Amino acid sequence: DGGITQSPKYLFRKEGQNVTLSCEQNLNHDAMYWYRQDPGQGLRLIYYSQIVNDFQKGDIAEGYSVSREKKESFPLTVTSAQKNPTAFYLCASSIEARAETQYFGPGTRLLVL
Amino acid sequence: GNSVTQMEGPVTLSEEAFLTINCTYTATGYPSLFWYVQYPGEGLQLLLKATKADDKGSNKGFEATYRKETTSFHLEKGSVQVSDSAVYFCALSDPTGNQFYFGTGTSLTVIP
Repeated sequence: DGGITQSPKYLFRKEGQNVTLSCEQNLNHDAMYWYRQDPGQGLRLIYYSQIVNDFQKGDIAEGYSVSREKKESFPLTVTSAQKNPTAFYLCASSIEARAETQYFGPGTRLLVL
Repeated sequence: GNSVTQMEGPVTLSEEAFLTINCTYTATGYPSLFWYVQYPGEGLQLLLKATKADDKGSNKGFEATYRKETTSFHLEKGSVQVSDSAVYFCALSDPTGNQFYFGTGTSLTVIP
């Protein structure tokens, strides 16, 4: 079964701690994306990657970092610089950067202790 | 710039009622338009899409028509079911770049 997996489903962060959210896809898609969703709001783009070893900042990149060392993997690190990290994080992918459709993973909910 | 505006919810309907969720957009060029659905605690699933003016996207009884003259892509369903309860997002794909733009979502609750 092809798809996008995100882990863990729930993640807890202590103050001052960095945490990493996993996103893996076996769809052979070139482009991958990270979005943040807050209650009652739409999705805001954090980072995106058009191809391996390349990524660009989205609208709200401050306090986050990413890497794209492999085509199938696009992990997101929420750093201690992100002062309000509690949110639902969604990873997505598309065949190519200008593809018409994005496919989403099931999401990771990050909570601060 | 690009943006999507959709009607605010929440929307509550009785089973078998008619559904309309309004969506209008602002875009440069000719975007593709989408409706995504999100069930509680899950990611977004593509519901339907339309790639050019006057196209109608349809799936699972839902449909939406790409209206360039009114810059709209309203979602409709003739008879909703309890299982349709979810949050619905309108979105556009910027043809000149590589970003999606999402509306704020409309929560739908269908009661028996």
